[in-house]
Amino acid sequence: NAGVTQTPKFQVLKTGQSMTLQCAQDMNHNSMYWYRQDPGMGLRLIYYSASEGTTDKGEVPNGYNVSRLNKREFSLRLESAAPSQTSVYFCASSRGSWQAEAFFGQGTRLTVV
Amino acid sequence: AQTVTQSQPEMSVQEAETVTLSCTYDTSESDYYLFWYKQPPSRQMILVIRQEAYKQQNATENRFSVNFQKAAKSFSLKISDSQLGDAAMYFCAYRSLITQGGSEKLVFGKGTKLTVNP
Repeated sequence: NAGVTQTPKFQVLKTGQSMTLQCAQDMNHNSMYWYRQDPGMGLRLIYYSASEGTTDKGEVPNGYNVSRLNKREFSLRLESAAPSQTSVYFCASSRGSWQAEAFFGQGTRLTVV
Repeated sequence: AQTVTQSQPEMSVQEAETVTLSCTYDTSESDYYLFWYKQPPSRQMILVIRQEAYKQQNATENRFSVNFQKAAKSFSLKISDSQLGDAAMYFCAYRSLITQGGSEKLVFGKGTKLTVNP
């Protein structure tokens, strides 16, 4: 039972470098999300996708782009990483009905130096 | 926009005793879902319990129960017979329905760190 799989689990970037965080779910869920978690801030929504081909901004979208490649995959891209983007990133998915719980990946710890 | 407030950044409890974690939220919607998630040191987010706003009966899952006060917009989590394995960050979350795009998002509080003392 893979659930939601995120790669990589850890990453160190230099300021200005780019990278893509990958996320895939095998539960046939419609909705997918990217959150960042910072100490004392809880989880803040970066972007979400209601269905394949649609994406919308969340609370903190600046500096990020996303792609909903297909129903399974939802990637998050940092075009020019900044130290303020040092965080733990979580991908999540849900059936898409509002009663449904969200299932989370194990997170990616990203450090930008 | 909906907001979720957890006013206790840290709590501690003795093993086998009971602890209550507080959560309040702000919304103008009448129907919604509320959740408590647990995040142990492994970082994995684990659903503890959920509550439908239209149900008056408080949800219960084994040692975990909620006190849902809709009018007061309060959603507290009670952990009975606390165990060492309950030590974790606990996040309260509100599921909001966003009309555009037909999707919904989960809004989180900032979390409460629970320590269980042996």
